[in-house]
Amino acid sequence: DGGITQSPKYLFRKEGQNVTLSCEQNLNHDAMYWYRQDPGQGLRLIYYSQIVNDFQKGDIAEGYSVSREKKESFPLTVTSAQKNPTAFYLCASRSDRGRSNEQFFGPGTRLTVL
Amino acid sequence: DAKTTQPNSMESNEEEPVHLPCNHSTISGTDYIHWYRQLPSQGPEYVIHGLTSNVNNRMASLAIAEDRKSSTLILHRATLRDAAVYYCILRDTRDDKIIFGKGTRLHILP
Repeated sequence: DGGITQSPKYLFRKEGQNVTLSCEQNLNHDAMYWYRQDPGQGLRLIYYSQIVNDFQKGDIAEGYSVSREKKESFPLTVTSAQKNPTAFYLCASRSDRGRSNEQFFGPGTRLTVL
Repeated sequence: DAKTTQPNSMESNEEEPVHLPCNHSTISGTDYIHWYRQLPSQGPEYVIHGLTSNVNNRMASLAIAEDRKSSTLILHRATLRDAAVYYCILRDTRDDKIIFGKGTRLHILP
């Protein structure tokens, strides 16, 4: 089945450690996105990528880094510079083909920094 | 970036229609209006989108004001499974940057 996978579903890390969240899609989508969601809040855009080897900062990019070496993959690294990394992280992708241009979201990774 | 304004929460009775409003007074000519919903502990899912004309699909209807400064998502017959946070967003076709607001938390009463 086509879709977006994020792994793991739950992730625990000690403060000061970098951690990389995985996002893979087999939908052949060009654009990919990372959002952060805090309890009771909406989604905030961290980074997005429109094409391989290119990406742009969203509204809250500080303390995060990404790479887009392959069309299918858009991993997010939460660095030790991120002051409050505990959150629910959502990855999404979007195709330029078709009329809707809708985003498809993964199931999310809940990161807890102890 | 164009912004949207939605009520924080709404309630509706099961099997009744629900009208979820969204204001987007700074909408530009290239902005599409998209609606997504998010069930607890899941990623958002697409509901519907439109540009100028009203739209219908199997999930909902979208009514867009003539001046495009507001829109309403209509769930024709709410069920308990429709309880979710509903997001109204503007998608500029010139840019891939997609911004979500806080959305409306919809409660369905049995």
